[in-house]
Amino acid sequence: QVQLAESGGGVVQPGRSLRLSCAASGFTFSDYGMSWVRQAPGTGLEWVAVISHDGTVKHYADSVKGRFTISRDNSKNTLSLDMNSLRPEDSTTYYCAKERDARASTSFDSWGQGTLVTVSS
Amino acid sequence: DVQMTQSPSSVSASVGDRLTISCRASQAISSSLAWYQQKPGQAPKLLIYTVSTLQSGVPSRFSGSGSGTDFTLTISGLQPEDFGTYYCQQAKNFPWTFGQGTKVDIK
Repeated sequence: QVQLAESGGGVVQPGRSLRLSCAASGFTFSDYGMSWVRQAPGTGLEWVAVISHDGTVKHYADSVKGRFTISRDNSKNTLSLDMNSLRPEDSTTYYCAKERDARASTSFDSWGQGTLVTVSS
Repeated sequence: DVQMTQSPSSVSASVGDRLTISCRASQAISSSLAWYQQKPGQAPKLLIYTVSTLQSGVPSRFSGSGSGTDFTLTISGLQPEDFGTYYCQQAKNFPWTFGQGTKVDIK
């Protein structure tokens, strides 16, 4: 069964960096695009970034473009999100999410449990 | 960006009711529309993708419809376990966007 496990969250000062990771298992990781989606407490969902199955195509939300970098290591079944120049408004729970369809973007059928990032001095 | 607007923002309904949630896109998104259910403290769960295709394991009382810019999630025969917040999401254009959510309470 598909399992996604995020790690790397924590408390960080504004302007500093943090790296989130997502360990995937239970499916052929290299076949599927992967995304990061975030959700502030009590608020809705915000898509952050997506990476294609082979890592060649990446897209970002405007709110993180130029500051965050999504990457993947298909040999280790791991998705990452490097977050630089962090701001208080980046304080949310970050989920990694698997696209439902191999080589096509329709929806997310599996989600991790989320990792909390708090940006505060 | 494609704005996704859901209505209502919240609703309280009784077990057995037929419930409809609307989602309107600010521009046409063809069939790239999905619906999710999220319960407190949990990750979202995919219910429906490509407008009307039921995700495996999701009860048949959930259905989706619509085209272009207007879409609907219908729950036929609301059950106690259907409480939670429902989100629509478009994957037609970047940045992918979600609706603001519809909170469903069971009376």
